[in-house]
Amino acid sequence: QSVLTQPPSASGTPGQRVTISCSGSSSNIESNPVNWYQQLPGAAPKLLIYGNNQRPSGVPDRFSGSKSGTSASLAISGLQSEDEADYYCATWDDSLNGVVFGGGTKLTVL
Amino acid sequence: QVQLQESGPGLVKPSETLSLTCTVSGGSVDIGSYYWSWIRQPPGKGLEWIGYMYNSGSTKYNPSLKSRVTISVDTSKNQFSLKLNSVNAADTAVYYCARRVGGSSYKYFDPWGQGTLVTVSS
Repeated sequence: QSVLTQPPSASGTPGQRVTISCSGSSSNIESNPVNWYQQLPGAAPKLLIYGNNQRPSGVPDRFSGSKSGTSASLAISGLQSEDEADYYCATWDDSLNGVVFGGGTKLTVL
Repeated sequence: QVQLQESGPGLVKPSETLSLTCTVSGGSVDIGSYYWSWIRQPPGKGLEWIGYMYNSGSTKYNPSLKSRVTISVDTSKNQFSLKLNSVNAADTAVYYCARRVGGSSYKYFDPWGQGTLVTVSS
């Protein structure tokens, strides 16, 4: 059971906009910045969003992050087939005194 | 551009110690502002933070693994290592090394190694 709660799956058609939620608590998401990682099939995770809504160099602006209270969201607009991957949210938890991850969301492009 | 590469045995017997090394290229482990980290992923499951070393000697571990984990840095080889003792089948996972970076207001894992599968079995 992960500390951060994500839907196990999400889907969309090419060109669509999809959002993935990440729910936490006052000791983690509400108090600390949220990062998102993308894990393509058979590959290592890759940083996608940091500091709630910042994109590293090279990440398309189709990807955006937001946070409100104890929840965070990742939005992907103009969905493409290569976006099919697992997505993980992560942040620091002040109570556990460590890094916590969401359980991951498998995105399928129909 | 910093790159990380894990290495170590792919098979470990129950009750023994899992030992992995992460070799850093394109940068130095001897930089105080980075946190040299280990993360694992059981087959078909999500990510679990194991711990990290920072400030050339300080460590922080996942409370659920703290009693069995040791992370160390070897600046002469530009490597850092993970030791997990008394392993069991639940420790079977892909183990990733990663660099934790960022400023005072945010931190994140980047880059990651490609990962190495460790199976615990007799």
